[in-house]
Amino acid sequence: EDQVTQSPEALRLQEGESSSLNCSYTVSGLRGLFWYRQDPGKGPEFLFTLYSAGEEKEKERLKATLTKKESFLHITAPKPEDSATYLCAVQAGKTSYDKVIFGPGTSLSVIP
Amino acid sequence: GAVVSQHPSWVICKSGTSVKIECRSLDFQATTMFWYRQFPKQSLMLMATSNEGSKATYEQGVEKDKFLINHASLTLSTLTVTSAHPEDSSFYICSAIRGRGWTQYFGPGTRLLVL
Repeated sequence: EDQVTQSPEALRLQEGESSSLNCSYTVSGLRGLFWYRQDPGKGPEFLFTLYSAGEEKEKERLKATLTKKESFLHITAPKPEDSATYLCAVQAGKTSYDKVIFGPGTSLSVIP
Repeated sequence: GAVVSQHPSWVICKSGTSVKIECRSLDFQATTMFWYRQFPKQSLMLMATSNEGSKATYEQGVEKDKFLINHASLTLSTLTVTSAHPEDSSFYICSAIRGRGWTQYFGPGTRLLVL
């Protein structure tokens, strides 16, 4: 069965304290892995799409990497405004309209 | 990034009434849109896939007569919660794929509270 897990469930960091969030997946035939940021009471905001193992993408303080079994979202020198829930999702279907499976998310709190 | 809007952003209604939620792709055409439901402290659960000009595809356990989906144009999909009850209270979010990409872009969500 296709599955996506994320760890840790919650993470509390001091401002400037770098860390990584993990997304592990078991799917047959990964088409794409997605990272989203979700603020309370809002829809998910797109961050990255990764398609193949070894791929990396960066945006400001965030860097996403992908292996054959997991993805990491590295946060360098986080700021309080980075506090949010980070969602990982995978697509394993034949088309982009097939079901995307979401992980439970990691709730990040960055303390000033 | 692609822009997806939802209306209304929140709604409070009495038990037994029907509520319509609109999802629009503002700067692109979307032949397929998705409807999700999210409970507090939980992740997104796909309810149905909305296809322009054809019937929606519902996930197992989602009542199609309860949650009516109409994808009338390439930029608009609507979700109608019929005869809403308190257990239907939730956060409903739509998404759409732009062009031939694989990435779903999400709307801001609609908070539904049924009294």
